[in-house]
Parts: sequence; structure tokens; C-alpha cells
Amino acid sequence: EPEVTQTPSHQVTQMGQEVILRCVPISNHLYFYWYRQILGQKVEFLVSFYNNEISEKSEIFDDQFSVERPDGSNFTLKIRSTKLEDSAMYFCASSEYEGDTEAFFGQGTRLTVV
Amino acid sequence: SQQGEEDPQALSIQEGENATMNCSYKTSINNLQWYRQNSGRGLVHLILIRSNEREKHSGRLRVTLDTSKKSSSLLITASRAADTASYFCATARAGKSTFGDGTTLTVKP
Repeated sequence: EPEVTQTPSHQVTQMGQEVILRCVPISNHLYFYWYRQILGQKVEFLVSFYNNEISEKSEIFDDQFSVERPDGSNFTLKIRSTKLEDSAMYFCASSEYEGDTEAFFGQGTRLTVV
Repeated sequence: SQQGEEDPQALSIQEGENATMNCSYKTSINNLQWYRQNSGRGLVHLILIRSNEREKHSGRLRVTLDTSKKSSSLLITASRAADTASYFCATARAGKSTFGDGTTLTVKP
């Protein structure tokens, strides 16, 4: 069964460092998303991406964050200068269509900023 | 209540009993999905119910949707210890999913 894969599963980084979280969405999907879940809290929407551009972003997704689809398969989330409060589980998701369809989530990358 | 808010927040039952979790939301939706998350792990999609559907079954899972009340319920029948997890509803609109706080289900063997 096709699945969304994320790497690494766990990333530890020093405060102020840049991190890139990687995702490989399902191959025929066109819509891509990043979500974040701080430990013990709900899953929060960060950004959606379609046709090589951001289609929607939340207020969490400030100038420190960027997304890119560098090639035909990868979808990345970059945090330029990490803060302690960026520590969270980051989920990538993809869907075939925008509307009435299931979004498939990856297993997540646990980011720990020290 | 918030978009995609579940209740109860925590539920503890004995193996073999049924577990019912509820979700309420505020705005119009395309569909509503239920996810399961084991502690510290990824999200597992359980079931999707579209806005024009009222009930859906998948194995031991039964989901209902009442768009007039903006609410949904997830019923797990004949629960097992392995069902212990957090369960989230997520409302989808224009592709974006909005998650609730989740219900933590504990099934005691």
C-alpha cells in the first residue's frame, strides 16, 4: 500500500541551527501539507502546497519556515533558526485532490531543539 | 466548542466493552476523518465520512455524522487492549485538516 515517508524519524538540533525535514508524498498525489504537534497538544496545520506554491499557511508558519519541492518526489520543510519552542512532532501529509478525499499522513519526525 | 473538539477527553473501559467518542465542529466541511495515534507515534487514518453520508462502518468501527448538529461519533465495538490510543477527529475543508484535542482511550485487559 502506498505511504507517505518521512526522514529522519528523530532529529536533535542546537537552538539557532537550521533543520530540514524531508517527506516523500505518495507518487500520484498533488497536494502536500505539513502539520505540527507539540507534545501533549493537538495537531496543528502549518502549510499546504500545490502546483509548486504555498496555497495556505497558518500564523505559526512565519518567516522562519519554508517549504520546497526540490524534485519530483521530495517535499521539505526548513526551519531557518530553530527555537526551543519548535520542538514538536512534524507530520507531512499528501492527498490526491484538494477537497473530498483522504489525506495520508507520514509517521512524523520528532524534532528536539536543545 | 472549538473546531473538531472531542469528548470525553479521556475514557477508560474494560476489554470487550464498547467505546464511544464524540466530536463537534463549527464550520461547514467536505468530510470528517478519524485518526488514531499511539503514544508518541504517527497518525493512522481510521475512517473518512463525507458530508453527505450519515453513517459508515469499517470492521469494529462505526462512525456517524450529523451535519445539522455539526457532530460526529466514533464507536469501537468489542474493544481490545490494543485499541488503547488517542483518537482524533479532523474536519477537512479545501484540503486543510483541522484536528481536535483528541480522546485518550485506555482499554484494560
